[in-house]
Amino acid sequence: NAGVTQTPKFRILKIGQSMTLQCAQDMNHNYMYWYRQDPGMGLKLIYYSVGAGITDKGEVPNGYNVSRSTTEDFPLRLELAAPSQTSVYFCASSYDTGRDEQFFGPGTRLTVL
Amino acid sequence: QKEVEQDPGPLSVPEGAIVSLNCTYSNSAFQYFMWYRQYSRKGPELLMYTYSSGNKEDGRFTAQVDKSSKYISLFIRDSQPSDSATYLCAMRGASGTYKYIFGTGTRLKVLA
Repeated sequence: NAGVTQTPKFRILKIGQSMTLQCAQDMNHNYMYWYRQDPGMGLKLIYYSVGAGITDKGEVPNGYNVSRSTTEDFPLRLELAAPSQTSVYFCASSYDTGRDEQFFGPGTRLTVL
Repeated sequence: QKEVEQDPGPLSVPEGAIVSLNCTYSNSAFQYFMWYRQYSRKGPELLMYTYSSGNKEDGRFTAQVDKSSKYISLFIRDSQPSDSATYLCAMRGASGTYKYIFGTGTRLKVLA
């Protein structure tokens, strides 16, 4: 099992550019999440999904979009990148019942200049 | 007031010390409590999980939840240099609520 994989590992964007952060999991988890982690701010939930075709906003959804067409994939789209979106982005997945354990990917470090 | 408060540290202790890490929270609806460990430039990994109040022990780690005081703790016994990491508390409300609230994390350094 690869677990949760994220690509790319690093990216530098110019203001106004767009990009998609990829996330995939091979554990057949229904629940998937996108977080951003800023220094001293902890993890903030951007979007989450409870299954293919179902997504919902988290705490900080502005400037982002998601889709969930398959159980495995949960891409995060940034439109019109802004310096405030400079952060480390983590994707996670979990079982729908049980221990609440979220399995995190290795993260994508994004800088917007 | 933040929903979850956690001292960012850093906390430096000698090898073998007992470490106490804490979070306070304001939302009385929180029922599920977790501690994650995050090594530098890695994703968080679950360390401990508790439901409602009480203690849970796993090897050198003990998690405590005091819902009356809205206070959770993680104790690490016989701390090792390999325990040096950032520790994040996380919590959520009742079943069906999938929005986890994370603390800011406490950076721990265990000195050999």
